[in-house]
Amino acid sequence: AQSVTQLDSQVPVFEEAPVELRCNYSSSVSVYLFWYVQYPNQGLQLLLKYLSGSTLVKGINGFEAEFNKSQTSFHLRKPSVHISDTAEYFCAVNPLGGGSQGNLIFGKGTKLSVKP
Amino acid sequence: NAGVTQTPKFRILKIGQSMTLQCTQDMNHNYMYWYRQDPGMGLKLIYYSVGAGITDKGEVPNGYNVSRSTTEDFPLRLELAAPSQTSVYFCASRMTGNTGELFFGEGSRLTVL
Repeated sequence: AQSVTQLDSQVPVFEEAPVELRCNYSSSVSVYLFWYVQYPNQGLQLLLKYLSGSTLVKGINGFEAEFNKSQTSFHLRKPSVHISDTAEYFCAVNPLGGGSQGNLIFGKGTKLSVKP
Repeated sequence: NAGVTQTPKFRILKIGQSMTLQCTQDMNHNYMYWYRQDPGMGLKLIYYSVGAGITDKGEVPNGYNVSRSTTEDFPLRLELAAPSQTSVYFCASRMTGNTGELFFGEGSRLTVL
């Protein structure tokens, strides 16, 4: 069975500091990987995705993530955060095949709190 | 561009009451989903549909029902509401194909007292 583990439930950082939100996954088949962001009282929106090719993917709002197949990780990074980045971030995997019907499996989320 | 629209945004139910959460999308997506989100638990899939007339259970279907009579609409029905169904419900849709990018509605916050 596939699973997604977000290693930190909450990450407080100061404005303009770098941040890394960690995500590890477990899967017996190949996967597509995603990060979604949820701003307060809103639905989720796609931040970035890894389908194939370069293991470093860039997303919106200056975020990037690196796929590491040997570590089964897909950590999200930003070199300098802003107050407006305060949100909850979800890592998700799409297992390819295995009867998953293409349904995403979500991690439990990491709340990023950016302080002035 | 409306995208995915959910109604109502907020609702309070008494134990044992029933209600329907509405979801409609205008992107002609074949795949539609209902998730519930509970604090610290991420998103749990309730039901999904791969096209009009086809629905299937997700991870947590008990206490819910769905129907998909058109491509656009995917209502979620709660029968005999229980306090355990207090949650935020999200509807989402995506295109056919396996890149998995979901488009979400803004959510419906349901409280069962």
